[in-house]
Amino acid sequence: GENVEQHPSTLSVQEGDSAVIKCTYSDSASNYFPWYKQELGKGPQLIIDIRSNVGEKKDQRIAVTLNKTAKHFSLHITETQPEDSAVYFCAAKADKLIFGTGTRLQVFP
Amino acid sequence: EPEVTQTPSHQVTQMGQEVILRCVPISNHLYFYWYRQILGQKVEFLVSFYNNEISEKSEIFDDRFSVERPDGSNFTLKIRSTKLEDSAMYFCASSEGLHVGIQYFGAGTRLSVL
Repeated sequence: GENVEQHPSTLSVQEGDSAVIKCTYSDSASNYFPWYKQELGKGPQLIIDIRSNVGEKKDQRIAVTLNKTAKHFSLHITETQPEDSAVYFCAAKADKLIFGTGTRLQVFP
Repeated sequence: EPEVTQTPSHQVTQMGQEVILRCVPISNHLYFYWYRQILGQKVEFLVSFYNNEISEKSEIFDDRFSVERPDGSNFTLKIRSTKLEDSAMYFCASSEGLHVGIQYFGAGTRLSVL
């Protein structure tokens, strides 16, 4: 069945450094790739998304890249801040949204 | 900013009982979803709902589960004969469209089956 793999499961960085989270998906029909941030006790909140006709998208400190041939997509956070600390989920959608396993990002001051 | 609201925030029930989880989607959205997240695990799709019908459901959504839009604003998930393994966070989401719409999530209901 459809599957989305996400790495790493945990990531610790120093404030100001960059963080990269990578995902791969199995369903070649996937055409929409959102990234969600989940803080403790809250629901997932969309932070950025990309569609299959675009290779890269940037929004301030956050960027996402997509390689459809390799079925890879990545989240890049630059100039990390302590408030970026959360669990990040990638997802891929063909007919339904399939989530990755999550990455717990910790940004140390 | 419009948001998806869910009630209650925490539901405790005895095994075998029925529970109803409630959601108020964003008002102009047409597509509604339920997801489940077992503690420490990933978010899993349960069901999508459009035009008063289930569009898609996962293997988790067995015949103990049902969804309903009883009026113009609420969207409910009913679980009958609850099992211990139903304990999880349940998230409701809604979107304007199916293929282009961003899904907005509620804060979730924590279901504890004892």
